[in-house]
Amino acid sequence: GENVEQHPSTLSVQEGDSAVIKCTYSDSASNYFPWYKQELGKGPQLIIDIRSNVGEKKDQRIAVTLNKTAKHFSLHITETQPEDSAVYFCAAKDDYKLSFGAGTTVTVRA
Amino acid sequence: IAGITQAPTSQILAAGRRMTLRCTQDMRHNAMYWYRQDLGLGLRLIHYSNTAGTTGKGEVPDGYSVSRANTDDFPLTLASAVPSQTSVYFCASSATSGGFLEQFFGPGTRLTVL
Repeated sequence: GENVEQHPSTLSVQEGDSAVIKCTYSDSASNYFPWYKQELGKGPQLIIDIRSNVGEKKDQRIAVTLNKTAKHFSLHITETQPEDSAVYFCAAKDDYKLSFGAGTTVTVRA
Repeated sequence: IAGITQAPTSQILAAGRRMTLRCTQDMRHNAMYWYRQDLGLGLRLIHYSNTAGTTGKGEVPDGYSVSRANTDDFPLTLASAVPSQTSVYFCASSATSGGFLEQFFGPGTRLTVL
């Protein structure tokens, strides 16, 4: 089955700086890569996703890049703000189900 | 308000007891999922249902069972709880299981098995 690895496990950034989270996947058949944000005490919420036929996608301060050849994808958050502090999960979808990375706890320092 | 509800919010349970976690969605989604979340392991799929009347096993199904009698409800049952089932459980749904469709998550149930 699919194996998704996510790095780093924790990330502390100064407010206004950028944050980058990287994920690798094992199954070349995976074709959909969503990113979820989980705030304390809540369920994960989709923030951005990318399909395998696209190399990059941007939505305001967040962007995701995908390298199918290397089987890795990354989340970029620019101009970080305190409300960006949360746990972020990457995931890869093959056929019918999502496989999640272990998560990255992002802390934005004021 | 449209979305997914889970009950209970939290529960402390003695080992060996039977427990059912409830999940209801009002979005008329065909597909529903149960995940457990453990520190350092992310979200792992326990069971899923592509449509009412069908269920399937995920990555970590042992010790759990599900049923999907109708579109809206997808209960998860622990027949005889063990301490290793202490976790936060999330129910999720999507319009269908195929394609590139968002999974919506409920608020979670925190379960402690002593």
